[in-house]
Amino acid sequence: GQQLNQSPQSMFIQEGEDVSMNCTSSSIFNTWLWYKQEPGEGPVLLIALYKAGELTSNGRLTAQFGITRKDSFLNISASIPSDVGIYFCAGLDTGTASKLTFGTGTRLQVTL
Amino acid sequence: EAQVTQNPRYLITVTGKKLTVTCSQNMNHEYMSWYRQDPGLGLRQIYYSMNVEVTDKGDVPEGYKVSRKEKRNFPLILESPSPNQTSLYFCASSLLAATTSGANVLTFGAGSRLTVL
Repeated sequence: GQQLNQSPQSMFIQEGEDVSMNCTSSSIFNTWLWYKQEPGEGPVLLIALYKAGELTSNGRLTAQFGITRKDSFLNISASIPSDVGIYFCAGLDTGTASKLTFGTGTRLQVTL
Repeated sequence: EAQVTQNPRYLITVTGKKLTVTCSQNMNHEYMSWYRQDPGLGLRQIYYSMNVEVTDKGDVPEGYKVSRKEKRNFPLILESPSPNQTSLYFCASSLLAATTSGANVLTFGAGSRLTVL
């Protein structure tokens, strides 16, 4: 099955720094989702994107749906310790409505 | 509270001993799915169900079975577990499997960590 290329694989940053991560695919998607997984929990939806070029914010988080529909970006501004976790992108295949393909995840560590 | 509930949360078993991981959702969702999470591989889909009595294979279905006799329940069955099925498993559901905005957003359970010795 297809997997999305997500980078970076892990990040160690200091509190207050901005964070950027991205996801790329060889296929076109018509929906991009960003999830966060905290230790011992299941992934929780952060942002959903439904149109190419769309830029959506959720507090300090901003995500963009790439114009080519083959990539998406997530930025976190002024990181805080509770931002720690694994961030997953997910794309919805235009040809298979039932299937979300997930990225390999970006593990974020925030130090004080 | 709207949620997806998985049990057990943790399980250690031995090779060949059949086990079932239960999944239940209270949101009247049509679509349910099982994923496994392994380091460096992200979340991979095992099986999914579009509605009652409708199930289909995901990307890594080998060694697993599922059933969807009722809308709310979607158990994952390992008939003869092997060590390569040691993993973290997630059940998830969404209102629909369609591309309608918002309807296909998955809600995940808290996960079931399975170790097969």
